[in-house]
Amino acid sequence: DTEVTQTPKHLVMGMTNKKSLKCEQHMGHRAMYWYKQKAKKPPELMFVYSYEKLSINESVPSRFSPECPNSSLLNLHLHALQPEDSALYLCASRQGPGHQPQHFGDGTRLSIL
Amino acid sequence: AQSVTQLGSHVSVSEGALVLLRCNYSSSVPPYLFWYVQYPNQGLQLLLKYTSAATLVKGINGFEAEFKKSETSFHLTKPSAHMSDAAEYFCAVRVLSGGYNKLIFGAGTRLAVHP
Repeated sequence: DTEVTQTPKHLVMGMTNKKSLKCEQHMGHRAMYWYKQKAKKPPELMFVYSYEKLSINESVPSRFSPECPNSSLLNLHLHALQPEDSALYLCASRQGPGHQPQHFGDGTRLSIL
Repeated sequence: AQSVTQLGSHVSVSEGALVLLRCNYSSSVPPYLFWYVQYPNQGLQLLLKYTSAATLVKGINGFEAEFKKSETSFHLTKPSAHMSDAAEYFCAVRVLSGGYNKLIFGAGTRLAVHP
């Protein structure tokens, strides 16, 4: 069982839809991450939040909009996505010093029609 | 720039045989290194981490890795493979970007275990 919970597990949406992915952790971690993972590839970092503030945006298109409403919750709002955005979206969290590892959720499998 | 290279995108072993997955890193500073495993339709699970406390690191599920500075390597091993070890394995190095932590992953190695 993972301590980082992502919902929904699967999402199918059209290119004109608006949807949101949710990530929750109750480990008291103050850094949270969004990754995109295509099949047979490593995860690619999208965003990093540190103490609820956006710290890193890896030049992600504006159709992806992250939000961190509190220290336990991380959202990724989706709008006007393209078929190439179909992927596994992973959330991770981390506590404290740099040697601490990131803890990953099981991801949301997103399919764009 | 810091990076990791995983040699061999696919490794196949027999059940009970030694598992060796290779990872080489590039870093101008003492690195923090991690091995993660990903089973189908799941997220990444931490196997072990190197944080300079000891060069031989023991992880979960019988895996271990040895940090060798002279070879810039952090290879993952397991003495006896089990069918349940079949998965994708990622080596990663922590980097600092604007003072914030992020991970750089290797391309991954798919481990197949056959009877």
